[in-house]
Amino acid sequence: ETGVTQSPTHLIKTRGQQVTLRCSSQSGHNTVSWYQQALGQGPQFIFQYYREEENGRGNFPPRFSGLQFPNYSSELNVNALELDDSALYLCASSGTSNEQFFGPGTRLTVL
Amino acid sequence: AQTVTQSQPEMSVQEAETVTLSCTYDTSENNYYLFWYKQPPSRQMILVIRQEAYKQQNATENRFSVNFQKAAKSFSLKISDSQLGDTAMYFCAFMKLPGGGSTLGRLYFGRGTQLTVWP
Repeated sequence: ETGVTQSPTHLIKTRGQQVTLRCSSQSGHNTVSWYQQALGQGPQFIFQYYREEENGRGNFPPRFSGLQFPNYSSELNVNALELDDSALYLCASSGTSNEQFFGPGTRLTVL
Repeated sequence: AQTVTQSQPEMSVQEAETVTLSCTYDTSENNYYLFWYKQPPSRQMILVIRQEAYKQQNATENRFSVNFQKAAKSFSLKISDSQLGDTAMYFCAFMKLPGGGSTLGRLYFGRGTQLTVWP
């Protein structure tokens, strides 16, 4: 059973650009959640996808959007990047239990 | 809204000793889960232990145990026989029972406690 994977590992962008982060959920998991972890902070919930539909959203602006594909992998898209978007982005997948399995994260730096 | 507070930004302990990390939370929910996650320098978030609010018995996983006080909204983590590999950031997290068709709810995290285990 493969774990949760994320790509890329690191990413550097400039203000105003757009970015797409990817997450492959663990085999058999149909739910993916995305979190933003700023330096020195705990992760903050961005949104969750369940069976390709958004199933809850945190306090993030609409320029944060996502997708979930039929194979339950997911993308996080951020438009019009701002300096404060610099953070570690974590995705977590889950199946029938309430345990979330986290990926290793994508470190995004916005210059 | 749910909030999770970890009042100890940093803790240190000598190898083989016992250390307790504190966590308090605020919620109006009656049914929920509480978790402790470990995040080593590799950044991988790893589940250490979880507690269902409806269970009075404190959860235990090998060297890790919790002291869950529901009325006080307190959820501390005790690490016994500390090992060098326990060095990491530890996050306390809250999850209310999810809605919709998903079995998964959103996690609310504290700001973390950096634990250092010294030889």
